[in-house]
Amino acid sequence: SQQGEEDPQALSIQEGENATMNCSYKTSINNLQWYRQNSGRGLVHLILIRSNEREKHSGRLRVTLDTSKKSSSLLITASRAADTASYFCATVISTAYKYIFGTGTRLKVLA
Amino acid sequence: EAGVTQSPTHLIKTRGQQATLRCSPISGHTSVYWYQQALGLGLQFLLWYDEGEERNRGNFPPRFSGRQFPNYSSELNVNALELEDSALYLCASSLEGLSYEQYFGPGTRLTVT
Repeated sequence: SQQGEEDPQALSIQEGENATMNCSYKTSINNLQWYRQNSGRGLVHLILIRSNEREKHSGRLRVTLDTSKKSSSLLITASRAADTASYFCATVISTAYKYIFGTGTRLKVLA
Repeated sequence: EAGVTQSPTHLIKTRGQQATLRCSPISGHTSVYWYQQALGLGLQFLLWYDEGEERNRGNFPPRFSGRQFPNYSSELNVNALELEDSALYLCASSLEGLSYEQYFGPGTRLTVT
C-alpha cells in the first residue's frame, strides 16, 4: 500500500449519520493532516495532529492517531449534505522533505 | 486576509508547447508547494520552494520546473507538453518548513490536446 492510503475509497451515508475514514502510512511521521476537497478544487485544511498526540477535535471532526499501528482516523459526526467531498490524509516525513497525500476517500452524504 | 491565488484558472495547450502556471502565497508564507492531480486521482507532489530555493522535487521529469521569486510568489513551467500532463495543478503555501498546515489555491486546470 502507498504511504497515506485512505479507506474506504468511497462512502455513502445518510444525513445525520457519522462518517469514519481511515488512513494508513508506512514510515515514521512528524505530523499527519486531514484535508477536504470539493468538486476537484483546492483543498481545505481540516486538522493537523502531531506524532506525540493521540486525539484532536475540531467542531464535528475528531481525529485519532495510532503511531504503533501507523494509522489515523477521521470521524465526522452528524454529517450534513455539505460534507460531501473527498477527504485526504497527508503525512509529513521530515527526512523526505515533503508531504505525501493519500488517494482519498470520496464521501457522499445523502439528504 | 487574501488566500492563495493561482492563474490562469484554465489553460489549454497543444502537445509540445510550454505552459506557465503562477501562484501567489498567503502573505507571510515563505514555502510554496506544487502538486499535480490527474482526474480522479490523488495529489502527486511536484516541487517545494522555500525562501527562493528549491527544497525538494517529486518523481517528475526535468521538463517540469519552477522558481520562487523574492516576493515568494512562484511559477511552474512545463515544457514539451504531453497529453498525460492534463491535470489540475494545485499550489499551496505554508509557513516555513513542514510542521504547518498548507493552504491551497483553487488550482489551474491544464488541458493538453
